[in-house]
Amino acid sequence: GAVVSQHPSWVICKSGTSVKIECRSLDFQATTMFWYRQFPKQSLMLMATSNEGSKATYEQGVEKDKFLINHASLTLSTLTVTSAHPEDSSFYICSAPTQGETQYFGPGTRLLVL
Amino acid sequence: GNSVTQMEGPVTLSEEAFLTINCTYTATGYPSLFWYVQYPGEGLQLLLKATKADDKGSNKGFEATYRKETTSFHLEKGSVQVSDSAVYFCALSGGGGADGLTFGKGTHLIIQP
Repeated sequence: GAVVSQHPSWVICKSGTSVKIECRSLDFQATTMFWYRQFPKQSLMLMATSNEGSKATYEQGVEKDKFLINHASLTLSTLTVTSAHPEDSSFYICSAPTQGETQYFGPGTRLLVL
Repeated sequence: GNSVTQMEGPVTLSEEAFLTINCTYTATGYPSLFWYVQYPGEGLQLLLKATKADDKGSNKGFEATYRKETTSFHLEKGSVQVSDSAVYFCALSGGGGADGLTFGKGTHLIIQP
């Protein structure tokens, strides 16, 4: 099946710094990718839709200046958490649909902001 | 907006027991429905899906039928194994797979030998 990777798998940073998370589709091209956030023992919440070559679409309540998304190629989307604070600590997961529209998920990135 | 409600766990069963995890949804139009599974330390994996009413998705002994009249997509398995222990998420997509997914809160399933 299709494979989606994320890097890094975990990151610890100081409050006020920025962190970039990469999402790659390894064996297929994805014009659209999705970013989710998962709190401990809770569901995944869709944050934004990343569109190759155009601006991302953010869900209601998600700060676009806080969570910068860039979809620079058909296999790479990046999420940058700017000026991170402890409340941004979470598990961030990306997904990408294949042409058959089945979404494949990355393994996730755990962010801890101190 | 769209929403998914599923039974919260943990659900603890003995090996070879029958499993049902309930899932109901609220959506406009005709969503596609999914069950995803998350094994310990791993990412989400698609377990099965159904794209229209009365469709039955099946995989690895698991089944779920898209019931439009009851807006439900309950997951069932006739005989569970210890290896089925995981967190199961019910989800829907308003636009097939081309839209972001709306997830339920997840059900932690524990199978005891």
